[in-house]
Amino acid sequence: ETGVTQSPTHLIKTRGQQVTLRCSSQSGHNTVSWYQQALGQGPQFIFQYYREEENGRGNFPPRFSGLQFPNYSSELNVNALELDDSALYLCASSLESGRSDEQFFGPGTRLTVL
Amino acid sequence: QKEVEQNSGPLSVPEGAIASLNCTYSDRVSQSFFWYRQYSGKSPELIMSIYSNGDKEDGRFTAQLNKASQYVSLLIRDSQPSDSATYLCAVNTNDYKLSFGAGTTVTVRA
Repeated sequence: ETGVTQSPTHLIKTRGQQVTLRCSSQSGHNTVSWYQQALGQGPQFIFQYYREEENGRGNFPPRFSGLQFPNYSSELNVNALELDDSALYLCASSLESGRSDEQFFGPGTRLTVL
Repeated sequence: QKEVEQNSGPLSVPEGAIASLNCTYSDRVSQSFFWYRQYSGKSPELIMSIYSNGDKEDGRFTAQLNKASQYVSLLIRDSQPSDSATYLCAVNTNDYKLSFGAGTTVTVRA
């Protein structure tokens, strides 16, 4: 167990809806990164939050947005859901935002868009 | 060219054998390299981190890094059925992003 928790575990939405996914980082970690993992592929970086600020973003459209709270927990929001958004969404926490910092994943949220 | 590429699987090895997994990366300035294990239906679990050239051993796992060749490998010695999983190679190419390969699925035959 990494101490990183995510909710909900599973979610089913329809195209066009909005969804909010939540993540609590490991104790003592101030950095949360979000990844999308489609079936049979490696995780793809969405963005990272460090001390409540977006610290970097991958190649995802603006309808993917996030927040980090003072306790370093984080949310991922996706608007106008598309069928291709169906995936496993992973958050990872790390001690700091540095090149050598290990990232530890939560159990993930499985999102299905119908 | 993909940032991180892994040898295509699946890889099937008999119990007790050595499983060898390979990974190449494209960005020469990469400094941090990680191997994750992912069981079916679960999230990735960090099993090895390596930052400098050479070998790093942890139990039955050995990671090898060659920055000149832009190559990382993972050896699993005395493979067990519980090692059956997908292994993901990840590279930190800047301060915040991990780039992952597509993964290599390993099956250990009893």
